[in-house]
Amino acid sequence: KQEVTQIPAALSVPEGENLVLNCSFTDSAIYNLQWFRQDPGKGLTSLLLIQSSQREQTSGRLNASLDKSSGRSTLYIAASQPGDSATYLCAVPSMDSSYKLIFGSGTRLLVRP
Amino acid sequence: DAGVIQSPRHEVTEMGQEVTLRCKPISGHDYLFWYRQTMMRGLELLIYFNNNVPIDDSGMPEDRFSAKMPNASFSTLKIQPSEPRDSAVYFCASRQGLGELFFGEGSRLTVL
Repeated sequence: KQEVTQIPAALSVPEGENLVLNCSFTDSAIYNLQWFRQDPGKGLTSLLLIQSSQREQTSGRLNASLDKSSGRSTLYIAASQPGDSATYLCAVPSMDSSYKLIFGSGTRLLVRP
Repeated sequence: DAGVIQSPRHEVTEMGQEVTLRCKPISGHDYLFWYRQTMMRGLELLIYFNNNVPIDDSGMPEDRFSAKMPNASFSTLKIQPSEPRDSAVYFCASRQGLGELFFGEGSRLTVL
């Protein structure tokens, strides 16, 4: 059974810091991995989709890396801003179907002005 | 495109009542998913469809839950009868093949 773990569960940093969010998964035979952010009371917004053949994917100040062999992904946020405050979730396909995504419990990020 | 559209955004009902949640996926997407989110259990996949056909409903908690997709632009999730433990945020999401998954804003259900 695919399990997804995100550490830390919560993180508070001052504005301007670079930070790394971690995601680990138990079954490394994944097709892709997706990072989302969720603001309070809102739906999930897709940030990055990284294919299994890729090692990195970048969008603005965000960079996601994927290491399938070790079952890990990281989301790097450069020069954090208060507007980055949200919960960040990673999701990977389940073992029985690449179409079903299994989500981690998320990292709740607070960027202090 | 307007994205995935869900209604209602908020629903408060009494135990035993029927609840129907609605979803319009992004045009052209061939997969539709229903998720439930709670503090205790996080995001759980309830059921998903491919080309309007239910593929996997193993996440549907009980027979009280049912979902339909009569056409490519509309899906419903029904709970009958509702119970307080069904209180949660229900999300609909859609994607094209194995591409990015896009979520709606969710329907917050409170069963009293």
